[in-house]
Amino acid sequence: AQKVTQAQTEISVVEKEDVTLDCVYETRDTTYYLFWYKQPPSGELVFLIRRNSFDEQNEISGRYSWNFQKSTSSFNFTITASQVVDSAVYFCALGGAGTYKYIFGTGTRLKVLA
Amino acid sequence: DVKVTQSSRYLVKRTGEKVFLECVQDMDHENMFWYRQDPGLGLRLIYFSYDVKMKEKGDIPEGYSVSREKKERFSLILESASTNQTSMYLCASSLDGGRGGNTIYFGEGSWLTVV
Repeated sequence: AQKVTQAQTEISVVEKEDVTLDCVYETRDTTYYLFWYKQPPSGELVFLIRRNSFDEQNEISGRYSWNFQKSTSSFNFTITASQVVDSAVYFCALGGAGTYKYIFGTGTRLKVLA
Repeated sequence: DVKVTQSSRYLVKRTGEKVFLECVQDMDHENMFWYRQDPGLGLRLIYFSYDVKMKEKGDIPEGYSVSREKKERFSLILESASTNQTSMYLCASSLDGGRGGNTIYFGEGSWLTVV
């Protein structure tokens, strides 16, 4: 069975702190895809990153970075020098190559305090 | 730019009413989805469609139906709304090919309250 676990329900940090959001996944597929989405208070889920299972290189995009480790089935997301605008709910998701379904975690609410 | 548009952001309906939630995408995507989002439960798939007039049940299809008469439009129908269907509904779309490997793009969501 496929599953995505985001154990952190809510995290609060003070502006400029670094914060890491955890994502652990389960799948029996050898080919799969991992995603992160941001959901600001307006409601729309905004796509942040897509990773396939064969690419374990870490990725950095500005203040955002992602650490993909197949050995621990984790795809963690770090925000460096957090800002108030980073306050949102963040979802990790898993897509399998042989299915139309995407499995979402329950989300982590990040509050960045000024 | 990728665009998924949901016709109504906020709706209040009475128990027993028939409710239509409309979604349009302008990216020529083959796949379209309806999700429901509830606190602590994340996103749960209601129905998806991989082609015009084609549909498949997701994880929680009970009480819902869908319609896809045109490629760009995917409608979610609550035949007889109930209070336990009060929720946020999210429409999404993706290209076909690679199935779960393609990025899924979301609309802004529709907040439905059933009273």
